[in-house]
Parts: sequence; structure tokens; C-alpha cells
Amino acid sequence: NAGVMQNPRHLVRRRGQEARLRCSPMKGHSHVYWYRQLPEEGLKFMVYLQKENIIDESGMPKERFSAEFPKEGPSILRIQQVVRGDSAAYFCASSPPGGGSTDTQYFGPGTRLTVL
Amino acid sequence: KQEVTQIPAALSVPEGENLVLNCSFTDSAIYNLQWFRQDPGKGLTSLLLIQSSQREQTSGRLNASLDKSSGRSTLYIAASQPGDSATYLCAVRPEYGANSKLTFGKGITLSVRP
Repeated sequence: NAGVMQNPRHLVRRRGQEARLRCSPMKGHSHVYWYRQLPEEGLKFMVYLQKENIIDESGMPKERFSAEFPKEGPSILRIQQVVRGDSAAYFCASSPPGGGSTDTQYFGPGTRLTVL
Repeated sequence: KQEVTQIPAALSVPEGENLVLNCSFTDSAIYNLQWFRQDPGKGLTSLLLIQSSQREQTSGRLNASLDKSSGRSTLYIAASQPGDSATYLCAVRPEYGANSKLTFGKGITLSVRP
């Protein structure tokens, strides 16, 4: 059973371009979470999605950021008109359906975004 | 608002030493607490998960304890090895159901000297 997959692993963009980060959850998992790790900072929650639904986006910046988890295919975190402050490691995690009390979030290797 | 603190930010010890990593959280209404390991440039590996009703969990040389009422957890590493060098993060899950997001500390970067 493959783990959580993220691609690309490294992404370089110039200011003003768009960044698309992809996350394929573990097989059978229907919950996806995105976290951001800024330099010298801890991981910060961004958004929690289930298939075709955004459950909690309280950690998402109000502008330029969006996320989706379609019925088919990976979850996408999209950053429009990137700025240098968006440079960070973006981690995706997944968990199984049901939201059981013992469920663990399994993390992917992350995408490291560098904005020039 | 939940806040998770890990002090110190960095720790260096000689190989073979037993050590304790501390984690504190401000809101004791947690559902579980999890310790992760992060190697440089890599993702997170879950080490131990403690449910709020539990006091401790053990895995090999690792033992994690939880004192929910005082808002504290410790990760005990026995007989440390250079391969244990990494950043250790603790995270709490505040409530069950729709709000399942984890709140992380900034981590403790551990260096074990041969």
C-alpha cells in the first residue's frame, strides 16, 4: 500500500506565476489535510477536505490560495500570483474515512516551493 | 486558541544518553496527542499516538507520556543513537469530528554525538 504521494517534490516559480501542488492520499483514504511549514516555523494547518467537499479552510490565506479534492484524481493546492513569502514546504496528510478516534494522519514527503 | 510549545528548540547529547523531550499545550480539551519525527528535507514519520484517555505509549526505545490536565507530554528516548538525530514534533488534535486539524509545536532539533 503506497503512502501519501506528493508532486512535484520541488517547485520553483517566479513572482506572479501560479503554483499547483498535488497530493494523492493513501489507498482507501478519503480525508486530506494540507499544512504549510515556513522557515523556522512549525507546521500550520491550512485546509481539510473530503471528497468534493471543503470541511475546514480556516487556515487558508484569504486570497490567492485554493484547494480542491475532486471525486477522481488527486487533491490540488493552488497558489495564484505567488510571492516570495509563499516559499515554504507544503505537506499533505490523509486519513481513512469514518473519523475514528484512533485514526492517524499519514504525511506525504512534502513539496518545497521556492519563489524567486 | 490552542498553542503548542516545545522547549528547548535544539538539544545536543552524547550517544548512549537517555533523554526527555517536552511538549506543552494550552487547551487541555484534546482528543489525542502525536509525536512525529522529521528528518532534514523530508516528510513526517509518526512515532507514537496517545489518546486523551491514555497515560503513555511505548514503541521500542521510545516512550511517550501524557498528562492531559496539566497540558504536558514527554517523549523519552532511551540509549540515544546518532540515528536518532532529527527534529521531533508534537501535535494535538483538539476535537473529534469535523475539526480534525492538528496543531503542531515548532519542534525540537536533536543531535546525538557519536
